[in-house]
Amino acid sequence: GENVEQHPSTLSVQEGDSAVIKCTYSDSASNYFPWYKQELGKRPQLIIDIRSNVGEKKDQRIAVTLNKTAKHFSLHITETQPEDSAVYFCAASRVNQFYFGTGTSLTVIP
Amino acid sequence: EAQVTQNPRYLITVTGKKLTVTCSQNMNHEYMSWYRQDPGLGLRQIYYSMNVEVTDKGDVPEGYKVSRKEKRNFPLILESPSPNQTSLYFCASSMAGGPYGYTFGSGTRLTVV
Repeated sequence: GENVEQHPSTLSVQEGDSAVIKCTYSDSASNYFPWYKQELGKRPQLIIDIRSNVGEKKDQRIAVTLNKTAKHFSLHITETQPEDSAVYFCAASRVNQFYFGTGTSLTVIP
Repeated sequence: EAQVTQNPRYLITVTGKKLTVTCSQNMNHEYMSWYRQDPGLGLRQIYYSMNVEVTDKGDVPEGYKVSRKEKRNFPLILESPSPNQTSLYFCASSMAGGPYGYTFGSGTRLTVV
C-alpha cells in the first residue's frame, strides 16, 4: 500500500517568515494530494489540494508544489501569522483511498 | 449548513461494553470513512464505504464494525471495546468519482477503561 512520510514533525517560525512542510509518497498511482490544517481540539480542514497533472497551486499565502518524478510534494506558507499555528497533515490518494502523513506541528512565534 | 455530524463528542466506557458512534452527513456524499487519530501516528483509516451496502476495511479494522444502510449514515460499532481503542475518532465524507477532499466530523474522543 501507500506510505506517506512527512517532515518535520515540529516547526517553529517567527511571525512573517515562511514555513515549508515536505511529504513523500511511495505509490506512483496516487494522483491527488490534499493538505489539512487541524487546530487544537478541532477537526482537520482542507486548506489546499493538488492533482497529479499540476505542478504547483497557490491560494493567497499558501502554495503546494508537486514533483511526481521524485514522489514528493510540499506545503509553503508565506508571511506566517499566529493563527497559522496548528498541526498540518499531508495525504496521498487515488480513487477514494487516502493515506495521511503523521503531521507537522507548526508554531508561529509573535 | 453542509456538515458531518458525529455523536457523542466524548465517551468514557468500560472494557467489553458494546458502543456505537454515529456519523451522519447532509451533503449526499457517496463516500464515507472512519479514522482514528493517535499521537505520533497521524490519521489511520479504519473502514470506508463507497456507497450504500458497500463497505471495506482500511488499515486498522480489527475490533471495529460498520454498516451503511442509508447513504447519509455510517455508524462505527465497537462490540467489545478494549483500552487500546482509546483514541480520537473522526468520520469523514466526500463525493465519489474523485478523489476529492474530505469533510470531517467534529470528532469523538473515546476512553476505554
